[in-house]
Amino acid sequence: KQEVTQIPAALSVPEGENLVLNCSFTDSAIYNLQWFRQDPGKGLTSLLLIQSSQREQTSGRLNASLDKSSGRSTLYIAASQPGDSATYLCAVRSAGNMLTFGGGTRLMVKP
Amino acid sequence: GAGVSQSPSNKVTEKGKDVELRCDPISGHTALYWYRQSLGQGLEFLIYFQGNSAPDKSGLPSDRFSAERTGGSVSTLTIQRTQQEDSAVYLCASSATSGMKTQYFGPGTRLLVL
Repeated sequence: KQEVTQIPAALSVPEGENLVLNCSFTDSAIYNLQWFRQDPGKGLTSLLLIQSSQREQTSGRLNASLDKSSGRSTLYIAASQPGDSATYLCAVRSAGNMLTFGGGTRLMVKP
Repeated sequence: GAGVSQSPSNKVTEKGKDVELRCDPISGHTALYWYRQSLGQGLEFLIYFQGNSAPDKSGLPSDRFSAERTGGSVSTLTIQRTQQEDSAVYLCASSATSGMKTQYFGPGTRLLVL
């Protein structure tokens, strides 16, 4: 059974810092990995999707990497802003049709 | 275009009552997913629809839960004889095809069972 873990569970940084969120998964036989953002009381917003054949994806200040063999992904946020404050979730699609989610990292960026 | 929409946004019900939650996927998306997000459990998969294929119900927690998708578009998740442990946010997502494409999520329905 696929298990996804995110470290740290919570993170507080001053504005302007670069930061890295970590995601690990137990079964490396994945089809893709997706990073989401969730604001309080809101649904999920897709940030980046990395196919299993890819090593990284970039969107603006966000860069996500994937090392399938070691079961790891990182989300790098450059020059963090208070508006980046949210919970960040990683999810993998392995066997079956659903996504398996990590517990999330609650990020607070202080002005 | 419009994103995934869900209704109601909030639902409070009494234990033992039945509830219906609705999801309108993005137009043209053939895949539709239901997830549940509860405190202490994180996000967990419930059920998946793809086109006219039989749904993948492997995530439904009990036979009190059921879902249908009419006409390949709108989906309804029904919870019968609700229990307090059913309290959670129920999220719906859709994608252009199964698996390999980005899943787009609705805002969720917050269910509270008293």
